[in-house]
Amino acid sequence: DTEVTQTPKHLVMGMTNKKSLKCEQHMGHRAMYWYKQKAKKPPELMFVYSYEKLSINESVPSRFSPECPNSSLLNLHLHALQPEDSALYLCASSQAPGRAAFFGQGTRLTVV
Amino acid sequence: KQEVTQIPAALSVPEGENLVLNCSFTDSAIYNLQWFRQDPGKGLTSLLLIQSSQREQTSGRLNASLDKSSGRSTLYIAASQPGDSATYLCAVGAAGKSTFGDGTTLTVKP
Repeated sequence: DTEVTQTPKHLVMGMTNKKSLKCEQHMGHRAMYWYKQKAKKPPELMFVYSYEKLSINESVPSRFSPECPNSSLLNLHLHALQPEDSALYLCASSQAPGRAAFFGQGTRLTVV
Repeated sequence: KQEVTQIPAALSVPEGENLVLNCSFTDSAIYNLQWFRQDPGKGLTSLLLIQSSQREQTSGRLNASLDKSSGRSTLYIAASQPGDSATYLCAVGAAGKSTFGDGTTLTVKP
């Protein structure tokens, strides 16, 4: 299994909603990442988890809250988002931080 | 801070042509360099990975090279096809994370 699976594929949420994005991998990778990608821009790193501990937080606003319940799962909890947070959210994993990354297909988030 | 630049930003070629995409980076202390393909609205598909100790990698019609000392990588696509149309991103792995270039959008015309 060489897949990173993200759910849901699409999400529309209001600015007062609370929702979560989910990411799962079964490759035994010990690093997992969240990226945000706006249209026609490269992915921007948000968070890195290494061995289930948060190792990098790229100064992301607190309305985004990551969680790594175990070595296979990564969640991104969303609360009180703004319309400018609308983007494609990508999850990735690698054997270790900075190593070859495998990406999921992303969640297309629209904040209304 | 690592900076990654990709040239050109966009490229349009007729089918069958060979082409080269360029990626440059400022800090040579890297673990690896990875080339990805992204179709509109989709996730990233890994094409080739070059470890810092390697000079090149090949997969089918694709060949990627790495020159760490000059901070450059190239992705060579042979006999391009319309199905190759996509955005190509390079990512440099170092210091626990990957840094992406802005990408090259390739259009291959039938």
